[in-house]
Amino acid sequence: GESVGLHLPTLSVQEGDNSIINCAYSNSASDYFIWYKQESGKGPQFIIDIRSNMDKRQGQRVTVLLNKTVKHLSLQIAATQPGDSAVYFCAETLVLTGGGNKLTFGTGTQLKVEL
Amino acid sequence: DAGITQSPRYKITETGRQVTLMCHQTWSHSYMFWYRQDLGHGLRLIYYSAAADITDKGEVPDGYVVSRSKTENFPLTLESATRSQTSVYFCASTGRNYNEQFFGPGTRLTVL
Repeated sequence: GESVGLHLPTLSVQEGDNSIINCAYSNSASDYFIWYKQESGKGPQFIIDIRSNMDKRQGQRVTVLLNKTVKHLSLQIAATQPGDSAVYFCAETLVLTGGGNKLTFGTGTQLKVEL
Repeated sequence: DAGITQSPRYKITETGRQVTLMCHQTWSHSYMFWYRQDLGHGLRLIYYSAAADITDKGEVPDGYVVSRSKTENFPLTLESATRSQTSVYFCASTGRNYNEQFFGPGTRLTVL
């Protein structure tokens, strides 16, 4: 079956540095790729998505890059802050009959921000 | 100020017992989802619902039952709990942006 995976389980960065979280995917048919953030003890929270026909999308302090040639997705966080400490999940979408999307999540990367 | 809520937040039960996890959302979202989260597996979809009285299986549906008689509620039942169902369960709903699922706070279930 299809899978969404991550290169690194844990990433440690210094406060103020940029963070890059990577993800490999295998389903080229996905319409969207998405990043979610999960803080300790909470449910995941949507960060940003990118359509499969795009290479780059920017949000507030975050940028997502999509390289379809090597099936790679990355999330860049600028000027990482302590509040960015969390587990980050990439996900790919499957359009459901009648609308709606079903998401397949990767296993997650723990981002630790060191002061 | 509601959003999406889950109850109970913590539950300990014994093997073979029936357990129902509740999920309630106040946005009138059509789609609702149940996931389980286990270390090393990320979030795996158990069941989802496109609307009241419309449900479908996800990736790991065995041992679970869902119903959706009202748009705002989506209960998940473990008919005969097993130790392998020890997990954190998340309910989610989605609005206009189908990529943005809103997650509840989760229920930590332990099956002894």
